[in-house]
Amino acid sequence: DQQVKQNSPSLSVQEGRISILNCDYTNSMFDYFLWYKKYPAEGPTFLISISSIKDKNEDGRFTVFLNKSAKHLSLHIVPSQPGDSAVYFCAASGDRDDKIIFGKGTRLHILP
Amino acid sequence: DAGITQSPRHKVTETGTPVTLRCHQTENHRYMYWYRQDPGHGLRLIHYSYGVKDTDKGEVSDGYSVSRSKTEDFLLTLESATSSQTSVYFCAIRGDFRDEQFFGPGTRLTVL
Repeated sequence: DQQVKQNSPSLSVQEGRISILNCDYTNSMFDYFLWYKKYPAEGPTFLISISSIKDKNEDGRFTVFLNKSAKHLSLHIVPSQPGDSAVYFCAASGDRDDKIIFGKGTRLHILP
Repeated sequence: DAGITQSPRHKVTETGTPVTLRCHQTENHRYMYWYRQDPGHGLRLIHYSYGVKDTDKGEVSDGYSVSRSKTEDFLLTLESATSSQTSVYFCAIRGDFRDEQFFGPGTRLTVL
């Protein structure tokens, strides 16, 4: 039973446009959400996070939106750049959890 | 850079042989994790540790054991490797902020 779902295995976006990556979760106890980025042959790197007390968190070109009622979050990248081509993992955790649950990832291709 | 190294980085072994992967950290973090990454499955937690000699199972722990005799080292052992354990293995530590994990470079293991 997947608690964190990324339903789009891949996404292609033109350079300079907005990339929107989506993530759904089923566990209402989750209260902290993270996005990781992964290049081939490297470990994932932390990108941005959001607490359930917020509905938006912004860091430069990256913004994460959280819709608790829909159990949905999204990562917006504006403008998209070639270096953004990577696999993006959504992850979630609950209060007092020692671990986080990852989605299966979405591969983002930025087209020239 | 969270000071995480993994060894070996690549290994090819035969079915039935024991294999030990090492994760080493230099920053004295309490929590350490082992994940495997497989196509179509994303990142799945194998085992984690919350202190020296304190470990717990993750989502896909069958066929794996771990040990942590020192804060800085977390070992993952495949007692008798099987072809289904061919994967990329990542070690991670939990940083100072809520649930943010930092990953090592990965070990690519092939079981023939």
